[in-house]
Amino acid sequence: QSALTQPASVSGSPGQSITISCSGTSSDIGGYKYISWYQQHPGKVPKLMIYSVNSRPSGVSNRFSGSKSGNTASLTISGLQAEDEADYYCCSYTTISTWVFGGGTKVTVL
Amino acid sequence: QVQLVQSGSELKNPGASVKISCKASGYSFTTLSLHWVRQAPGQGLEYMGWIHTNTGDPTFAPGFTGRFVFSLDTSVSTTYLQISSLTAEDTAIYYCARMYYSDTTGYMIDHWGQGTLVTVSS
Repeated sequence: QSALTQPASVSGSPGQSITISCSGTSSDIGGYKYISWYQQHPGKVPKLMIYSVNSRPSGVSNRFSGSKSGNTASLTISGLQAEDEADYYCCSYTTISTWVFGGGTKVTVL
Repeated sequence: QVQLVQSGSELKNPGASVKISCKASGYSFTTLSLHWVRQAPGQGLEYMGWIHTNTGDPTFAPGFTGRFVFSLDTSVSTTYLQISSLTAEDTAIYYCARMYYSDTTGYMIDHWGQGTLVTVSS
Protein backbone atom coordinates (compact mmCIF):
# COMPACT_ATOMS: atom_id res chain seq x y z
CA GLN A 1 0.00 0.00 0.00
CA SER A 2 1.81 3.12 -1.20
CA ALA A 3 1.37 6.46 0.47
CA LEU A 4 -1.35 8.66 -0.96
CA THR A 5 -0.04 11.42 -3.24
CA GLN A 6 -0.22 15.01 -2.06
CA PRO A 7 1.54 18.11 -3.38
CA ALA A 8 4.60 18.91 -1.29
CA SER A 9 3.55 22.51 -0.80
CA VAL A 10 0.69 24.91 -1.40
CA SER A 11 0.68 28.61 -0.65
CA GLY A 12 -1.78 31.45 -0.63
CA SER A 13 -2.29 34.96 0.63
CA PRO A 14 -4.45 35.77 3.62
CA GLY A 15 -8.12 35.65 2.70
CA GLN A 16 -7.58 33.46 -0.33
CA SER A 17 -8.76 29.88 -0.78
CA ILE A 18 -6.45 26.96 -1.39
CA THR A 19 -7.10 23.33 -2.20
CA ILE A 20 -4.91 20.36 -1.33
CA SER A 21 -5.36 17.24 -3.39
CA CYS A 22 -4.84 13.67 -2.23
CA SER A 23 -4.63 11.02 -4.90
CA GLY A 24 -5.03 7.32 -4.27
CA THR A 25 -6.50 4.26 -5.91
CA SER A 26 -9.70 2.25 -5.93
CA SER A 27 -8.18 0.24 -3.06
CA ASP A 28 -8.22 3.21 -0.75
CA ILE A 29 -9.74 6.61 -1.50
CA GLY A 30 -11.88 5.41 -4.37
CA GLY A 31 -13.35 2.53 -2.44
CA TYR A 32 -14.32 4.12 0.86
CA LYS A 33 -15.84 7.17 2.47
CA TYR A 34 -13.42 6.96 5.40
CA ILE A 35 -11.22 9.83 4.30
CA SER A 36 -9.85 12.14 6.96
CA TRP A 37 -7.53 15.13 7.08
CA TYR A 38 -5.10 16.13 9.83
CA GLN A 39 -3.33 19.39 10.54
CA GLN A 40 0.07 19.35 12.21
CA HIS A 41 1.92 22.41 13.42
CA PRO A 42 5.68 22.06 13.97
CA GLY A 43 6.45 20.08 17.08
CA LYS A 44 2.79 19.37 17.75
CA VAL A 45 0.51 16.38 17.64
CA PRO A 46 -1.71 16.02 14.55
CA LYS A 47 -5.23 17.40 14.84
CA LEU A 48 -8.33 16.03 13.10
CA MET A 49 -9.82 18.58 10.70
CA ILE A 50 -12.13 16.54 8.47
CA TYR A 51 -13.56 13.02 8.71
CA SER A 52 -15.71 10.87 6.44
CA VAL A 53 -14.72 12.94 3.41
CA ASN A 54 -16.52 16.14 4.31
CA SER A 55 -17.53 16.24 7.97
CA ARG A 56 -15.98 18.63 10.49
CA PRO A 57 -15.45 17.78 14.15
CA SER A 58 -16.90 20.27 16.57
CA GLY A 59 -14.52 23.14 17.12
CA VAL A 60 -13.00 23.07 13.65
CA SER A 61 -13.61 26.20 11.62
CA ASN A 62 -16.10 26.00 8.76
CA ARG A 63 -13.36 27.48 6.59
CA PHE A 64 -12.17 23.88 6.23
CA SER A 65 -14.07 21.62 3.87
CA GLY A 66 -13.48 18.28 2.21
CA SER A 67 -14.62 16.49 -0.89
CA LYS A 68 -13.92 13.41 -2.97
CA SER A 69 -14.18 12.54 -6.63
CA GLY A 70 -13.18 9.10 -7.79
CA ASN A 71 -9.75 8.25 -6.42
CA THR A 72 -8.94 11.80 -5.36
CA ALA A 73 -9.88 13.62 -2.17
CA SER A 74 -9.44 17.32 -1.56
CA LEU A 75 -9.20 19.68 1.37
CA THR A 76 -10.12 23.31 0.81
CA ILE A 77 -9.21 26.07 3.20
CA SER A 78 -11.12 29.27 2.52
CA GLY A 79 -10.35 32.67 3.97
CA LEU A 80 -6.76 31.60 4.59
CA GLN A 81 -5.33 32.82 7.90
CA ALA A 82 -1.83 32.92 9.31
CA GLU A 83 -2.73 30.22 11.85
CA ASP A 84 -3.51 27.82 8.99
CA GLU A 85 0.18 27.59 8.16
CA ALA A 86 0.98 23.96 8.95
CA ASP A 87 1.41 20.53 7.43
CA TYR A 88 -1.71 18.72 6.28
CA TYR A 89 -2.13 14.98 5.82
CA CYS A 90 -4.90 13.02 4.19
CA CYS A 91 -5.70 9.52 5.41
CA SER A 92 -7.80 6.73 3.96
CA TYR A 93 -9.02 3.30 4.94
CA THR A 94 -7.77 0.54 2.62
CA THR A 95 -8.88 -2.83 1.32
CA ILE A 96 -6.35 -4.61 3.55
CA SER A 97 -8.03 -3.28 6.70
CA THR A 98 -5.34 -0.77 7.42
CA TRP A 99 -5.11 2.94 6.84
CA VAL A 100 -2.67 4.94 4.74
CA PHE A 101 -1.54 8.56 4.99
CA GLY A 102 -0.60 10.97 2.27
CA GLY A 103 2.94 12.29 2.11
CA GLY A 104 1.85 15.60 3.59
CA THR A 105 1.46 19.13 2.23
CA LYS A 106 3.12 22.19 3.71
CA VAL A 107 0.74 25.14 3.60
CA THR A 108 2.41 28.55 3.56
CA VAL A 109 0.51 31.77 4.13
CA LEU A 110 2.27 34.47 2.13
CA GLN B 1 -11.58 13.45 29.22
CA VAL B 2 -9.93 11.04 26.83
CA GLN B 3 -6.17 10.84 27.20
CA LEU B 4 -3.46 8.72 25.66
CA VAL B 5 -0.24 9.00 27.64
CA GLN B 6 2.89 7.49 26.17
CA SER B 7 6.14 6.50 27.80
CA GLY B 8 9.19 8.71 27.59
CA SER B 9 11.95 9.11 25.05
CA GLU B 10 14.32 6.24 24.42
CA LEU B 11 17.94 6.12 23.26
CA LYS B 12 18.94 2.72 21.94
CA ASN B 13 21.96 1.13 20.34
CA PRO B 14 21.62 -0.41 16.90
CA GLY B 15 20.45 -4.00 17.17
CA ALA B 16 18.63 -3.44 20.46
CA SER B 17 14.90 -3.58 21.10
CA VAL B 18 12.51 -1.00 22.48
CA LYS B 19 9.05 -1.23 24.02
CA ILE B 20 6.83 1.85 24.11
CA SER B 21 3.65 2.07 26.17
CA CYS B 22 0.45 4.01 25.58
CA LYS B 23 -1.99 4.26 28.50
CA ALA B 24 -5.56 5.18 27.69
CA SER B 25 -8.03 6.81 30.04
CA GLY B 26 -11.36 8.58 29.97
CA TYR B 27 -13.27 5.95 27.99
CA SER B 28 -13.94 2.22 27.88
CA PHE B 29 -10.61 0.81 26.68
CA THR B 30 -11.89 -2.24 24.83
CA THR B 31 -14.49 -0.45 22.73
CA LEU B 32 -12.18 1.29 20.26
CA SER B 33 -9.05 0.21 18.42
CA LEU B 34 -5.63 1.74 18.99
CA HIS B 35 -3.23 2.55 16.18
CA TRP B 36 0.43 3.35 15.77
CA VAL B 37 1.89 6.05 13.53
CA ARG B 38 5.55 6.81 12.90
CA GLN B 39 7.10 10.15 12.01
CA ALA B 40 10.79 10.23 11.16
CA PRO B 41 12.62 13.53 11.71
CA GLY B 42 11.40 16.11 9.22
CA GLN B 43 9.22 13.54 7.48
CA GLY B 44 5.50 12.81 7.18
CA LEU B 45 3.16 10.55 9.07
CA GLU B 46 3.50 6.87 8.32
CA TYR B 47 0.77 4.42 9.34
CA MET B 48 2.11 1.32 11.08
CA GLY B 49 -0.95 -0.69 12.05
CA TRP B 50 -3.49 -1.26 14.78
CA ILE B 51 -4.59 -3.56 17.56
CA HIS B 52 -8.08 -4.73 18.33
CA THR B 53 -8.40 -3.86 22.02
CA ASN B 54 -11.06 -6.50 22.63
CA THR B 55 -9.29 -9.50 21.09
CA GLY B 56 -5.67 -8.34 21.04
CA ASP B 57 -5.44 -9.14 17.32
CA PRO B 58 -2.89 -6.94 15.53
CA THR B 59 -2.96 -5.79 11.92
CA PHE B 60 0.23 -4.44 10.38
CA ALA B 61 0.58 -2.10 7.44
CA PRO B 62 2.91 -3.17 4.63
CA GLY B 63 6.50 -2.55 5.67
CA PHE B 64 5.79 -3.09 9.34
CA THR B 65 5.82 -6.84 9.63
CA GLY B 66 8.45 -8.98 11.29
CA ARG B 67 10.22 -6.63 13.71
CA PHE B 68 7.11 -4.98 15.11
CA VAL B 69 4.82 -6.29 17.83
CA PHE B 70 1.61 -4.76 19.16
CA SER B 71 0.34 -5.98 22.51
CA LEU B 72 -2.17 -5.13 25.21
CA ASP B 73 -2.66 -5.19 28.93
CA THR B 74 -6.35 -4.51 29.36
CA SER B 75 -6.02 -4.56 33.16
CA VAL B 76 -4.18 -1.24 32.93
CA SER B 77 -5.76 0.04 29.69
CA THR B 78 -2.40 0.07 27.98
CA THR B 79 -1.13 -0.90 24.57
CA TYR B 80 2.49 -1.49 23.68
CA LEU B 81 4.67 -1.23 20.60
CA GLN B 82 7.82 -3.30 20.57
CA ILE B 83 10.45 -2.94 17.86
CA SER B 84 13.38 -5.33 17.60
CA SER B 85 16.69 -5.20 15.70
CA LEU B 86 16.67 -1.42 15.72
CA THR B 87 18.55 0.53 13.07
CA ALA B 88 19.12 4.24 12.56
CA GLU B 89 16.15 4.23 10.18
CA ASP B 90 13.88 3.50 13.13
CA THR B 91 14.75 6.86 14.66
CA ALA B 92 11.39 8.62 14.81
CA ILE B 93 8.54 9.84 16.94
CA TYR B 94 6.02 7.06 17.49
CA TYR B 95 2.43 8.05 18.16
CA CYS B 96 -0.38 5.93 19.47
CA ALA B 97 -3.82 7.06 18.39
CA ARG B 98 -7.43 6.17 19.07
CA MET B 99 -9.63 5.34 16.11
CA TYR B 100 -13.15 6.43 16.90
CA TYR B 101 -15.99 4.69 15.10
CA SER B 102 -19.73 4.99 15.07
CA ASP B 103 -22.34 4.10 12.50
CA THR B 104 -23.12 7.78 12.00
CA THR B 105 -19.59 9.19 11.83
CA GLY B 106 -17.50 6.39 10.40
CA TYR B 107 -13.82 6.11 11.28
CA MET B 108 -11.52 8.89 12.45
CA ILE B 109 -8.41 9.25 14.60
CA ASP B 110 -9.79 11.58 17.22
CA HIS B 111 -7.14 11.39 19.93
CA TRP B 112 -3.37 11.07 19.78
CA GLY B 113 -0.74 10.32 22.36
CA GLN B 114 1.93 12.93 22.87
CA GLY B 115 4.46 10.87 20.93
CA THR B 116 7.55 8.96 22.01
CA LEU B 117 10.89 9.81 20.46
CA VAL B 118 13.05 6.78 19.79
CA THR B 119 16.63 7.55 18.85
CA VAL B 120 18.82 4.75 17.56
CA SER B 121 22.48 5.64 17.73
CA SER B 122 25.73 4.16 18.93
